[in-house]
Amino acid sequence: GQNIDQPTEMTATEGAIVQINCTYQTSGFNGLFWYQQHAGEAPTFLSYNVLDGLEEKGRFSSFLSRSKGYSYLLLKELQMKDSASYLCAVRDRWAGSARQLTFGSGTQLTVLP
Amino acid sequence: DAGITQSPRHKVTETGTPVTLRCHQTENHRYMYWYRQDPGHGLRLIHYSYGVKDTDKGEVSDGYSVSRSKTEDFLLTLESATSSQTSVYFCAISEGTGVTGELFFGEGSRLTVL
Repeated sequence: GQNIDQPTEMTATEGAIVQINCTYQTSGFNGLFWYQQHAGEAPTFLSYNVLDGLEEKGRFSSFLSRSKGYSYLLLKELQMKDSASYLCAVRDRWAGSARQLTFGSGTQLTVLP
Repeated sequence: DAGITQSPRHKVTETGTPVTLRCHQTENHRYMYWYRQDPGHGLRLIHYSYGVKDTDKGEVSDGYSVSRSKTEDFLLTLESATSSQTSVYFCAISEGTGVTGELFFGEGSRLTVL
C-alpha cells in the first residue's frame, strides 16, 4: 500500500513564492505527479518526477528525493489564479496493469492580494 | 485538452435506486479509471479498465460495478445507491505508454443520494 501526506491548507501573498511539500511511503516507487484543481473543476496535470532532482516548468518547479520519500512543488511569482488545490500522486511499481495513481488529500492554496 | 465527457454532470437520486454514470473518450486511450473525490480523502480509485472487457477493482470498489464494451465508453454503476456514495465522481484516461503516462480527467459528475 501507499501513504501520501501533504498539508491541508496554505496561504501566501500575490507575487511571493510558496513551497508545497509531499511525503510518501510506497513499496515500489515508479513516479510522482502533481496536479492542480480549481474549485468545481477537474484536476489538471502539472508535473512529473521519476528521478531525483528538480524539474522546472515556467513558474512551477517540482523536486523529488526518492531516498527520503519527499517531493515539493514550488510556485513562484504567485498570482491570484494560482488559488487552487494541489494534489500529489504516486505511481507504484507494483500497481495494476493500468499504472493507476494513488493521490494525497490535496493542499488548498489561497493567494491573498 | 483530452476529449473526455461524463454524463450526467449532476444527479440527485434516492437511496436504493440504481445509478449509472457514463464516461466517453475520443482519444482512443487504452486505460480508463473511475475515481471518487470526498473532502478529507482526496481522489480514491474505484475501478479501472485496461482494455475492452478488461476491468479490475480499485481501493474503494464495494457497491460499484463497471463495464467497458467499447474502447470509448466506461460505465460506472451503483446497483443500489446509498448516502455514503454521495460524492463527486471523476473519470480519467491514460495512454499508459511513454515516459509519463499521466491521467487526463473528465469534468466530474456530482451525485447526491438522499
